[in-house]
Amino acid sequence: QLQLQESGPGLVRPSETLSLTCTVSNGSISSYYWTWVRQSPGKGLEWIGYIYYSGSTNYNPSLKSRVTISVDRSRNQFFLRLTSVTAADTAIYYCAREANFYESAGPLYYFDYWGRGTLVTVSS
Amino acid sequence: DIQLTQSPSFLSASIGDRVTITCRASQGVNSHLAWYQQKPGMAPKLLIYGAATLQNGVPSRFSGSGSGTEFSLTISGLQPEDFATYSCQQLSNYPYTFGQGTKLEIK
Repeated sequence: QLQLQESGPGLVRPSETLSLTCTVSNGSISSYYWTWVRQSPGKGLEWIGYIYYSGSTNYNPSLKSRVTISVDRSRNQFFLRLTSVTAADTAIYYCAREANFYESAGPLYYFDYWGRGTLVTVSS
Repeated sequence: DIQLTQSPSFLSASIGDRVTITCRASQGVNSHLAWYQQKPGMAPKLLIYGAATLQNGVPSRFSGSGSGTEFSLTISGLQPEDFATYSCQQLSNYPYTFGQGTKLEIK
């Protein structure tokens, strides 16, 4: 079945750039929306944004000025870049697939496949 | 942003119990609500989408209901593997948002 795997540095210094990769295996990255979600220690989940396989993006306004999500279809990978990080960006970062199901009233959306998550700590 | 408030935040129950978790949205989201289960060190697992549609492979003891601003997740006949944290998510408006989570513990 489809698998997603996050990778990247576990430690980033304040003011620097966090960069993560999500590798999709046992399936194609074509079609679907590919998303990033994070979870700060002891807190709830936060949607960061998505990239459609064609390259269009949508970001959480709370992070929009610092976030870039990109995709490399040839490698079945998509990426997260978060600039000017602070301790508040310390979190487990998950990549996930957003799928949809069409019913008579219209499409229903959900995140059906997730990576195991990677902890990124922002500290000097 | 649409705020999702779950209640209770913590729930203690016994094997075999029936439990219900509520998720209230600050504005209507129609049926664009999903429920996830998360265990320590694991990724969230989709249980229900469209407020009431069970994801493939999820046991039928899980059920969801609601529309608009009030939703619920019910587990009928708790099993040992059900003790986890449950979160709701609205997928009606961007930015998508999640509830703060409900931790279900063994009594």
